[in-house]
Amino acid sequence: DIQMTQSPSSVSASVGDRVTITCRASQGISSWLAWYQQKPGKAPKLLIYAASSLQSGVPSRFSGSGSGTDFTLTISSLQPEDFATYYCQQANSFPQTFGQGTKVEIK
Amino acid sequence: QLQLQESGPGLVKPSETLSLTCTVSGGSISSSSYYWGWIRQPPGKGLEWIGSIYYSGSTYYNPSLKSRVTISVDTSKNQFSLKLSSVTAADTAVYYCARFARSPTDAFDIWGQGTMVTVSS
Repeated sequence: DIQMTQSPSSVSASVGDRVTITCRASQGISSWLAWYQQKPGKAPKLLIYAASSLQSGVPSRFSGSGSGTDFTLTISSLQPEDFATYYCQQANSFPQTFGQGTKVEIK
Repeated sequence: QLQLQESGPGLVKPSETLSLTCTVSGGSISSSSYYWGWIRQPPGKGLEWIGSIYYSGSTYYNPSLKSRVTISVDTSKNQFSLKLSSVTAADTAVYYCARFARSPTDAFDIWGQGTMVTVSS
């Protein structure tokens, strides 16, 4: 199985801050990486697919980059509605695997 | 707009079989552009992919659960289902069904709201 490791596990930030979350795959996955946002009690929401493509309807302050084993999700200017947990997921091979999550908290 | 809705018992006894159904509305399950998957999330923990199915019936399972999991599809009802046998307390989780959009997206783009399943006697 491909292991996905996110860092940090949590981050405290203020509205307007730039936030960066990293996801590392245990082996190369090309660009088969997605990012999801999950708020308490809600289902995950797709933000980014194919490492850097913005899902329709997602604000442009979200961006993704990377390929191979190292990937990044960036929120350019944190908004109040962005406080949530973020997960990466690889779709390069079965079993599809998720990172452990990064919680973005209010500072 | 396509929607997914999970249904099934919220309480299952240890050693019994967990059975859930996902009903797809607002679109057809018989599209070559999508797979249909189950993902679960234990309380306070992360996401775990359980398995996925294509409308033709081809299945893909997480090896960690493969011996206990069966996913099936009923195209006439626009539904797909999950069965997980010999459950224990470790199977207590919110279970989500989701649509996996094939290339170029290759991600779960639409999710059901999730259903909490507790394993307890």
